[in-house]
Amino acid sequence: EVQLLESGGALVQPGGSLRLSCAASGFTFNTAAMKWVRQAPGKGLQWVSAISGSGETTDYADSVKGRFTVSRDNSKNTLYLQMNSLRTEDTALYYCAKDGAGWRIDYWGQGALVTVSS
Amino acid sequence: QSALTQPASVSGSPGQSITISCTGTSSDVGGYNYVSWYQQHPGKVPKLMIYEVSNRPSGVSNRFSGSKSGNTASLTISGLQTEDEADYYCSSYRSSTTLHYVFGTGTKVTVL
Repeated sequence: EVQLLESGGALVQPGGSLRLSCAASGFTFNTAAMKWVRQAPGKGLQWVSAISGSGETTDYADSVKGRFTVSRDNSKNTLYLQMNSLRTEDTALYYCAKDGAGWRIDYWGQGALVTVSS
Repeated sequence: QSALTQPASVSGSPGQSITISCTGTSSDVGGYNYVSWYQQHPGKVPKLMIYEVSNRPSGVSNRFSGSKSGNTASLTISGLQTEDEADYYCSSYRSSTTLHYVFGTGTKVTVL
């Protein structure tokens, strides 16, 4: 059974930093492209970042480029999202997600809540 | 990075059919057969309902079907049931942006 378990969500002040983790199990992690998707309270889904199975290729939404860094440790089956210079508009539930073939998400984590507020 | 355009809300009575549109451009919906649809109930994790325009994952009811014409993809729910009341999001591969994925704006489906 595929499981994705996010951790690291917290309340942080504007300008602060936070690192989210996503522990994966139930599939061959080092061959799976992974994504972070966020959902602000009462709003829609937004792609944040993506990373290839090897970790060599990464992608970011314009709104987080230069502030967020996605990485993975395939020896630990764990995905990370380092978030710096956080803004109030980054407040959201952050989902870790596994890519399926054909540019779809076939599994989602339960989400980690990040609140940016003074 | 603009989102794909969906109607804010669609409603129907039990047993009826409804269709949700998802409009993009030739750089995303119109150019590739990589459109997916997700269902999200309040407080729940999104669930994949359709992938590659018209394919259903195992376990998804055949009341859900997808199609595409030009730059617009559509999700049709036939035989509408109360449990279909949820938010629905389309998604597509997009070739022209740094992040090659884009979601739709989301549609709230209400069963009257």
